[in-house]
Amino acid sequence: NAGVTQTPKFRVLKTGQSMTLLCAQDMNHEYMYWYRQDPGMGLRLIHYSVGEGTTAKGEVPDGYNVSRLKKQNFLLGLESAAPSQTSVYFCASSYEDHYSNQPQHFGDGTRLSIL
Amino acid sequence: AQSVTQPDIHITVSEGASLELRCNYSYGATPYLFWYVQSPGQGLQLLLKYFSGDTLVQGIKGFEAEFKRSQSSFNLRKPSVHWSDAAEYFCAVGARTGNQFYFGTGTSLTVIP
Repeated sequence: NAGVTQTPKFRVLKTGQSMTLLCAQDMNHEYMYWYRQDPGMGLRLIHYSVGEGTTAKGEVPDGYNVSRLKKQNFLLGLESAAPSQTSVYFCASSYEDHYSNQPQHFGDGTRLSIL
Repeated sequence: AQSVTQPDIHITVSEGASLELRCNYSYGATPYLFWYVQSPGQGLQLLLKYFSGDTLVQGIKGFEAEFKRSQSSFNLRKPSVHWSDAAEYFCAVGARTGNQFYFGTGTSLTVIP
């Protein structure tokens, strides 16, 4: 099994450009999450989804949109990229929420630079 | 508000030595606590978690952590470190409501031969 796959792995954008990060999981997980990781900040939750067709805001949702049209995919969009969105983005999925006996599975990350 | 503090940004230990990584949390109720490990260029992997019950929790790769309510701490320990343990370690705290799940800023572990 591939687990959680993030596409692309690296990307450089200019300020104002838009792009979509794709997260795909093949474990039939209900929950999916998008985090950003910045130096000295740990991971911060951007948005999450508790099932197909649902999305919810996390700790730092501004400037991002998400969609979960299919259970296996969770898309993170930047409509107008800003330098403050330069970060490493991680997707994660799990059968249930953070507090079940099923752990979160993380992708390998997408390194995004905004010039 | 919830918060997680990992006081040590970077720790260096010799292979075979014991390890303790510190984690302090601030939370108004009984917390759910987690430790994750991140190898370079990889995502996070869950080492262990505490929900309730026995305050000493065993995890994967020989790690354990002890929940001390009086000290608001959840320190990670390993009796004998291996070179492959070199990685970034994150403590996290959460509650069973919505998106209240917070990571610490991480501790980078270097293992020297």
